[in-house]
Amino acid sequence: GQNIDQPTEMTATEGAIVQINCTYQTSGFNGLFWYQQHAGEAPTFLSYNVLDGLEEKGRFSSFLSRSKGYSYLLLKELQMKDSASYLCAVRDWGNTPLVFGKGTRLSVIA
Amino acid sequence: DADVTQTPRNRITKTGKRIMLECSQTKGHDRMYWYRQDPGLGLRLIYYSFDVKDINKGEISDGYSVSRQAQAKFSLSLESAIPNQTALYFCATSDFAGKTGATGTQYFGPGTRLLVL
Repeated sequence: GQNIDQPTEMTATEGAIVQINCTYQTSGFNGLFWYQQHAGEAPTFLSYNVLDGLEEKGRFSSFLSRSKGYSYLLLKELQMKDSASYLCAVRDWGNTPLVFGKGTRLSVIA
Repeated sequence: DADVTQTPRNRITKTGKRIMLECSQTKGHDRMYWYRQDPGLGLRLIYYSFDVKDINKGEISDGYSVSRQAQAKFSLSLESAIPNQTALYFCATSDFAGKTGATGTQYFGPGTRLLVL
């Protein structure tokens, strides 16, 4: 079976750094994706990891450890507009559709 | 112009009615998907298609059907709508991850908010 876990909610302060964790158990592995979704809007692609290590993209970084079935999304210099849900998704093998976690709702407060 | 479009954006219907949600894309992707999203349940896959001649059931296909009319068009039908099909529906597209430089990232349309009374 497939299982993707991430915290339901997090709160962080404007200007701070926040780390959103994701753990997964899948039959195989062919990529992990992070998406941002503002309320009522479409998910938008943030990052992709297929090899172990850190991928950095501006204020956003994503880390993957395949042996631990673990990823995190790191958001730096938080802004109010970063208040959104963050979805972790895994492709378990080949070119199968992504399987999504339930998302982490991040609230950025002043 | 948006790469992935969905029509209608909002729809209210009654129990027992047949409705169709449409998705079009200009990204040139072969692969298209339909998901529904419910509060607390996340995105769940309904159907997907890897090319015009290929249709596959997802996690929650009961009560739904699809049609892939062309590479760029993928429609979702509710044959006889029921209230627990009230949800936010997303269409998505992706390239084939085996192509050089392609990651198979899925790109989403703006969504259709459906209310079944």
